[in-house]
Amino acid sequence: QITLKESGPTLVKPTQTLTLTCTFSGFSLSTSGVGVGWIRQPPGKALEWLALIYWNDDKRYSPSLKSRLTITKDTSKNQVVLTMTNMDPVDTATYYCAMVNYGYLLDYWGQGTLVTVSS
Amino acid sequence: EIVMTQSPATLSVSPGERATLSCRASQSVSSNLAWYQQKPGQAPRLLIYGASTRATGIPARFSGSGSGTEFTLTISSLQSEDFAVYYCQQYNNWPPIFTFGPGTKVDIK
Repeated sequence: QITLKESGPTLVKPTQTLTLTCTFSGFSLSTSGVGVGWIRQPPGKALEWLALIYWNDDKRYSPSLKSRLTITKDTSKNQVVLTMTNMDPVDTATYYCAMVNYGYLLDYWGQGTLVTVSS
Repeated sequence: EIVMTQSPATLSVSPGERATLSCRASQSVSSNLAWYQQKPGQAPRLLIYGASTRATGIPARFSGSGSGTEFTLTISSLQSEDFAVYYCQQYNNWPPIFTFGPGTKVDIK
């Protein structure tokens, strides 16, 4: 059974750095073709892809947010960490992590975690 | 950067009727197109990938078609559990850069 769960702060202040952790089970991030991605969704709005990291440590970022994002993995802990710098109220959203299968399918999703940016 | 658009923004359909949702890419994505369903308070669920292949466990009433820049998701006979928001997503090139469309909300007429 594949599961993913996001964890991190529910409230951050403007200009702070957000650090989110995705802890997963049921698959290995050392398997060829497998990755973990992050996607966010502001309240009442559409999905926005942020970043992903593959089994071979290849990383991809949304062009519009690339300068603010860093994604890393700890294969031994089955965790992927996303950091986003210089947080702003417009970054208030539910942040999801998802398993990337066969290199491109967002196959399994976590439940999401709501992050509010406010002073 | 590839931009995805979806139409209509909202589709009102009666249970048992057919629903047709459209997705357009600003440039060709070949068949590298997926559809997701999202219900309120839930994470999205993968429905279709490769423009027309149903994901595991997805009922046959869901079908996808198209290639290049024009894509369609059809729900042949809407069930109560199908009322949701549907997103298309492209994953062209390798490694992919993902882009989602703005979504189509299917609600009860």
